[in-house]
Amino acid sequence: AQTVTQSQPEMSVQEAETVTLSCTYDTSENNYYLFWYKQPPSRQMILVIRQEAYKQQNATENRFSVNFQKAAKSFSLKISDSQLGDTAMYFCAFMKHGSGNTGKLIFGQGTTLQVKP
Amino acid sequence: SQTIHQWPATLVQPVGSPLSLECTVEGTSNPNLYWYRQAAGRGLQLLFYSVGIGQISSEVPQNLSASRPQDRQFILSSKKLLLSDSGFYLCAWSRRAGELFFGEGSRLTVL
Repeated sequence: AQTVTQSQPEMSVQEAETVTLSCTYDTSENNYYLFWYKQPPSRQMILVIRQEAYKQQNATENRFSVNFQKAAKSFSLKISDSQLGDTAMYFCAFMKHGSGNTGKLIFGQGTTLQVKP
Repeated sequence: SQTIHQWPATLVQPVGSPLSLECTVEGTSNPNLYWYRQAAGRGLQLLFYSVGIGQISSEVPQNLSASRPQDRQFILSSKKLLLSDSGFYLCAWSRRAGELFFGEGSRLTVL
């Protein structure tokens, strides 16, 4: 069975600084997807970034980028130029590749990020 | 554009009472639909998913059930609520692999 671990329950960062959230996972699969989801205080969860395991290039979305280390089974999220609106709980998630698993995500426990002015 | 709505947003129910949470999706057809539960201080756990009308898969044994009477409607139910059913329930639909779009969530408190 796959597991996802986020070892940092809470983190804080000053506005405009850079912060990195850690995520490790365990799987015997070779093809899979990894995601970071953001859940702000308003509670509606949204997708931040998506990585396909067969792609060596790290995914980026504006100020958000990942460091995907497949051999180490590590998938960290870097937020550059942190903004107050980045304050949220961040979830790392894993999904096996295959039509029978579309959308069946395994989530980590979450990391609460506080951006301070 | 696609939208997803779930209701009620907040619900307080006594132990042993029934439950019905409803989720609807607009702007897409034949979506995969999901019910997740988020317990306090923990991650999300997949409860049910559906790939079509009347097709429900359960991920964990529990006191809850799900139904999909229409293509874009997904309902989470219970005949008799337990204290352990308290939590935050999220409905979601997916477009491509793993890209979930979540509803606003329903907070259930069982007393």
